[in-house]
This record gives sequence, C-alpha cells and structure tokens, in this order.
Amino acid sequence: DAGVTQSPTHLIKTRGQHVTLRCSPISGHKSVSWYQQVLGQGPQFIFQYYEKEERGRGNFPDRFSARQFPNYSSELNVNALLLGDSALYLCASSLEPGQGAFFGQGTRLTVV
Amino acid sequence: AQSVTQPDIHITVSEGASLELRCNYSYGATPYLFWYVQSPGQGLQLLLKYFSGDTLVQGIKGFEAEFKRSQSSFNLRKPSVHWSDAAEYFCAVGPSSNTGKLIFGQGTTLQVKP
Repeated sequence: DAGVTQSPTHLIKTRGQHVTLRCSPISGHKSVSWYQQVLGQGPQFIFQYYEKEERGRGNFPDRFSARQFPNYSSELNVNALLLGDSALYLCASSLEPGQGAFFGQGTRLTVV
Repeated sequence: AQSVTQPDIHITVSEGASLELRCNYSYGATPYLFWYVQSPGQGLQLLLKYFSGDTLVQGIKGFEAEFKRSQSSFNLRKPSVHWSDAAEYFCAVGPSSNTGKLIFGQGTTLQVKP
C-alpha cells in the first residue's frame, strides 16, 4: 500500500504569491493533518480535517487555509507568501484523529 | 500550557552503546504519547506510541519507551545503537480524541560514532 503522498516535493515561490500543496492520505484514512516544520524545530500544527470537516486549527494567520475532498485528499493553501513561510510542510494521515499519524515526505517550500 | 520538552538538543553515542533520549511533557489530560524519527530531508516515521495499559511500549527498529506518569516523562531507549540510527528524534503528545493535534518537542539529533 502507498503511504502518504505529497506534491510537489519542492517549490520556490516569490513573496506575495499564492501556493497550493497537495496530500493524498493512506487508503482508508479519513483524518488528514498539516504541519509546518521550520529548519531546526519540531513540526507545528496547522490544521486537522476529519471526514471533510475542520476539527482543529493551530496558531497560524488567515493566509493559511485548507480543505479536504470527498476522497479524503487534502490541499493546503497559503496566500500572500512571506519569507518566513519557507519551511517543510508535512501532511499526516490516520484512521481517526489522535490514533497516531503517518507522515508524508513533505513539501519543501522556499519563498524568495 | 501544553508542551513537550526534549532537554538534549544533540547526543553522540558510540555504535553498539545504549541510548536514552529524554522527553518531558506538560498536558492537562491523559495524553497520547509518540516518538517519531526523521532522517535529513525526509518526513517523520512513527517509532512507537503509548495510549494506555502497559507503561513499557515496544516499537520498531528495536526501540522502546517507558511512560512514567509521576515524572511526566516518556523516554526512548535502545540497548544497542546502530550507525543507521543517526537521525533526529521527536517526542510528541496529543489528545486522546477530537482534534488529533500533536504537539512536538524541538527534537534531539543523534550522532553515532563508529
């Protein structure tokens, strides 16, 4: 079975642009979470979706948004990119919230 | 406030030596506890998790962890370290249900000497 897949793997954007990151969970997993990992730090929680509904939101500005589709895949959108948004964005899936998440390889976003 | 502290930023051990990585948490309710490993430029791999029951949990790659409620700790151990264990290790705490949000420590980088 395929694990959590994220696309693209790397991305370079300019300040002020918009970016969309995509995530496909493990087959059968209905919960998807997004995390931001800045170099040298642990991942920080951004969003969690379960059964297409937002279940949790971290301390991130409204420039960050996400959604989950009927097939349980998910998108993370970031508007008006700032240099500080440069990070590894990780998607994680689980059968249900709190059951131990399986992470994808991440999308490395660089904002210049 | 909910938090996870990994006191050791960097640890170096010799190959074949034993390993213990420390993790302390602050959490109001009964937490779920996790250890993840991350190789450079990669995502996180779940090593083990504790939900309830036996406080000594076994994970993959020969790792184990012990939950000590009185000390608010969940330390990771391995009796004999292999060179391939060199990586960054993250302890995380989460709620038993609902949001599924995980709070991570800042990580411990493990270096293995030949």
